[in-house]
Amino acid sequence: DAKTTQPPSMDCAEGRAANLPCNHSTISGNEYVYWYRQIHSQGPQYIIHGLKNNETNEMASLIITEDRKSSTLILPHATLRDTAVYYCIVYGRGSTLGRLYFGRGTQLTVWP
Amino acid sequence: DTEVTQTPKHLVMGMTNKKSLKCEQHMGHRAMYWYKQKAKKPPELMFVYSYEKLSINESVPSRFSPECPNSSLLNLHLHALQPEDSALYLCASSQDSLTGGLTGANVLTFGAGSRLTVL
Repeated sequence: DAKTTQPPSMDCAEGRAANLPCNHSTISGNEYVYWYRQIHSQGPQYIIHGLKNNETNEMASLIITEDRKSSTLILPHATLRDTAVYYCIVYGRGSTLGRLYFGRGTQLTVWP
Repeated sequence: DTEVTQTPKHLVMGMTNKKSLKCEQHMGHRAMYWYKQKAKKPPELMFVYSYEKLSINESVPSRFSPECPNSSLLNLHLHALQPEDSALYLCASSQDSLTGGLTGANVLTFGAGSRLTVL
């Protein structure tokens, strides 16, 4: 079962930052936070992951709270092509090992 | 090569047919996965292979039969399917599913999917 809670939908103006929240209050110490996105009818695409520290790559930034119970994915300058379902997933060694489960995700719509 | 290739992209089959979905990766990944995705729903895990052995079966009906002939290939054999099995079938691979490697992280790379319609 998914261990995360995300808003079902969000929207964002093109060129603005999109901040997607995720709650994962039951995360264990050896579990990472992963973000994937899925553009309509395509396979999910990996975006970023983190354990404790904030992370940044060419696609996005990931901010993880100090208690690790929530995180935010930031797309700094959203474009129309960022319209997709964004999935926040917690996964790592332990009971979920090998089982990467998707929750319902957040449908992000970027408006021109 | 950083891709997972799935064939065919589209498949239509009758309930009495036998067909197969194929998945291939050349990234040296030792874990491979099958997911099923119904319309407007998240992907659901079906099977996980680790080092060419089936390590996880999420109680999938026996009309779905996975096979991992070698470390680069993953098949899903389909037989006597029902119309409700119509879905997008996604294959993924990762370096290691059971330990997460040295860091414990495990990034999955997904294919584009095979869209199956059962008549």
